[in-house]
Amino acid sequence: EDQVTQSPEALRLQEGESSSLNCSYTVSGLRGLFWYRQDPGKGPEFLFTLYSAGEEKEKERLKATLTKKESFLHITAPKPEDSATYLCAVLAGIYNQGGKLIFGQGTELSVKP
Amino acid sequence: NAGVTQTPKFQVLKTGQSMTLQCAQDMNHNSMYWYRQDPGMGLRLIYYSASEGTTDKGEVPNGYNVSRLNKREFSLRLESAAPSQTSVYFCASSRQGISYEQYFGPGTRLTVT
Repeated sequence: EDQVTQSPEALRLQEGESSSLNCSYTVSGLRGLFWYRQDPGKGPEFLFTLYSAGEEKEKERLKATLTKKESFLHITAPKPEDSATYLCAVLAGIYNQGGKLIFGQGTELSVKP
Repeated sequence: NAGVTQTPKFQVLKTGQSMTLQCAQDMNHNSMYWYRQDPGMGLRLIYYSASEGTTDKGEVPNGYNVSRLNKREFSLRLESAAPSQTSVYFCASSRQGISYEQYFGPGTRLTVT
């Protein structure tokens, strides 16, 4: 069964304390992986797309990496404004032939000043 | 650009009542989606429209219907609301299909009593 698991469920950091969020997946035919940020009471906001193992993308304090089994979202020297829930979504299969986008349950990140 | 807009933002229904959630996008995207988000469940796809004139079922379509009114608008209808449909509903759009990043609306928080 296709599955996407994010860990930890919640993460509390002090401002400046770097850490990583994990998204592990077991799917047939990975075609891509997306990272989104979701603030409370709002819709998810697109961050990155990764297509193949070894690929990396960066945006400000965030860096996303992809292996054959998992993706990491590294947060360097986080600030309180980085507090949000981070979602990963795995694109698997063939579009119009059972292809689908599977979301993980998210990691709730809290950064304290 | 407003991006993806949704109305209403909040709604309370009684069991058996019907309602339509409205969604519009101004990014000239071809594909549109309806999701529901429940605690501990992640985002789940209800229906999607790959392009104007087409609609397809997602993971949890029972109890819902959709209409792709034109390229900009995609509505979700609950014909006879049930307490199990209490959730936060998000509309999203993408350039063409699930291979592309999706842009989400602000959501509709629906409570069915």
